[in-house]
Amino acid sequence: GNSVTQMEGPVTLSEEAFLTINCTYTATGYPSLFWYVQYPGEGLQLLLKATKADDKGSNKGFEATYRKETTSFHLEKGSVQVSDSAVYFCASFLYNQGGKLIFGQGTELSVKP
Amino acid sequence: DTAVSQTPKYLVTQMGNDKSIKCEQNLGHDTMYWYKQDSKKFLKIMFSYNNKELIINETVPNRFSPKSPDKAHLNLHINSLELGDSAVYFCASSPTGTGNTIYFGEGSWLTVV
Repeated sequence: GNSVTQMEGPVTLSEEAFLTINCTYTATGYPSLFWYVQYPGEGLQLLLKATKADDKGSNKGFEATYRKETTSFHLEKGSVQVSDSAVYFCASFLYNQGGKLIFGQGTELSVKP
Repeated sequence: DTAVSQTPKYLVTQMGNDKSIKCEQNLGHDTMYWYKQDSKKFLKIMFSYNNKELIINETVPNRFSPKSPDKAHLNLHINSLELGDSAVYFCASSPTGTGNTIYFGEGSWLTVV
């Protein structure tokens, strides 16, 4: 079946540190891949996406590259800010499997000043 | 102008009650979803509808009954609420087809006491 696995949190970083949150997927096919962010007490916001191999999604300084050979979609940011503190969810979507968005378990990021 | 709106945002109710959460999207999308986020922040699909037709019913107890009066609305009715139903419920919508982004509402925080 399809699944998404993220690195466990919480991740605690100092401001301006480099961020990597690992995400790998398994799928019978070629899913579209997404990163969503959930700020405390809020809903889910799309952060970035990639729909095919070697695509790079980017937004607000965050980047992730769709790597088919390693079935990965790791999230990176060069310099995090306190305002980036949130829970980050990696997700995959396969339309031919009924159109389900499958989420990873979420990684909580805490950025300290 | 909110794209996917759900009401109420917060709901506290007693065990055994029946409650509904309403969802509307003004994006013109054909597909709508309900997702449940548990206390560990894990997100799982419950239902999806395409043009008012049920597509996915992900082994949800039949106390949960979605209703889609038209393709812009997908309401969730829950009968005989149990303590374990306490969660955040997210409505979402997307265009039909692969590679499209799923847009989420702000969430409805349900607490059963």
